[in-house]
Amino acid sequence: EVQLVVSGGDLVQPGGSLRLSCAASGFTFGGFAMSWVRQAPGKGLEWVSSISPGGNTRYYADSVKGRFTISRDNSKNTLSVQIDSLRAEDTAVYYCAKHGLGRHLEYWGQGTLVTVSS
Amino acid sequence: QSVLTQPPSASGTPEQRVTISCSGSSSSIGSNAVNWYQQLPGTAPKLLIYSNNQRPSGVPDRFSGSKSGTSASLAISGLQSEDEADYYCAAWDDSLNAYVFGTGTKVTV
Repeated sequence: EVQLVVSGGDLVQPGGSLRLSCAASGFTFGGFAMSWVRQAPGKGLEWVSSISPGGNTRYYADSVKGRFTISRDNSKNTLSVQIDSLRAEDTAVYYCAKHGLGRHLEYWGQGTLVTVSS
Repeated sequence: QSVLTQPPSASGTPEQRVTISCSGSSSSIGSNAVNWYQQLPGTAPKLLIYSNNQRPSGVPDRFSGSKSGTSASLAISGLQSEDEADYYCAAWDDSLNAYVFGTGTKVTV
C-alpha cells in the first residue's frame, strides 16, 4: 500500500524558513517523479514543484521560484521542500504526491499546514 | 494562478448526469493529457481520471473523461450523494513549464 506521510508544518513569521518532509513507503520511491501541491484556506489547488525520479530535473511555480527548493533522498525514501523567505500568501496546506507513469498525481499524502503570520 | 477554467459549481439530483468542463490552451490541454482529481470535504485530493479518459483501479465507471482540442470534460452519471466534492482538472503547460490546475468545481447533489 502506498503511503505518503507529510510533516513539518508550523506557524512561522514572515521572512522565516521551514522544511517540509514526505516519508514514502509501499513503492519503489526512486522510480517515480514526486510533486508538492498546496491549497490556501478555502481556495483551490496550486502546484508548487516537481522533481524527477533521479532528482536531476526540478520544476517550480513562478510564485515560489527562488524561495522554494525541492529535493529527494532516494536512499531514505524521502521528499523534501525547503521554504525560505516565507510570505503570508504561502499559508496553505501542503501536500506531497507521487506521480504515476505520466504527469498525473497518482497518490497524495495527508497534507501539513503552514501558517505564515506575525 | 490557474490557467484552466472550470465552472465554479454544478449540481444535480441523485441518478442524474452532471458534466464539468475544463477550458485550457494549446500549450496545456491542447498538447498534454488531462487529469481529474476529486477532493471530498476535509480530505486530500484523489486521482479520478488520468490521461484524458483512464480510470485508476477502484474508481467507479460512473466517472468518465474526454478531451477535444483545448477543452476537456468530466461526466458523472448516476450521481450519488457521496459524489459531493470539489473537482479539479489539471494538465502540464508547455509554455509555463508548470503543472496547472483548473479553478475547481463544487458539485452538489
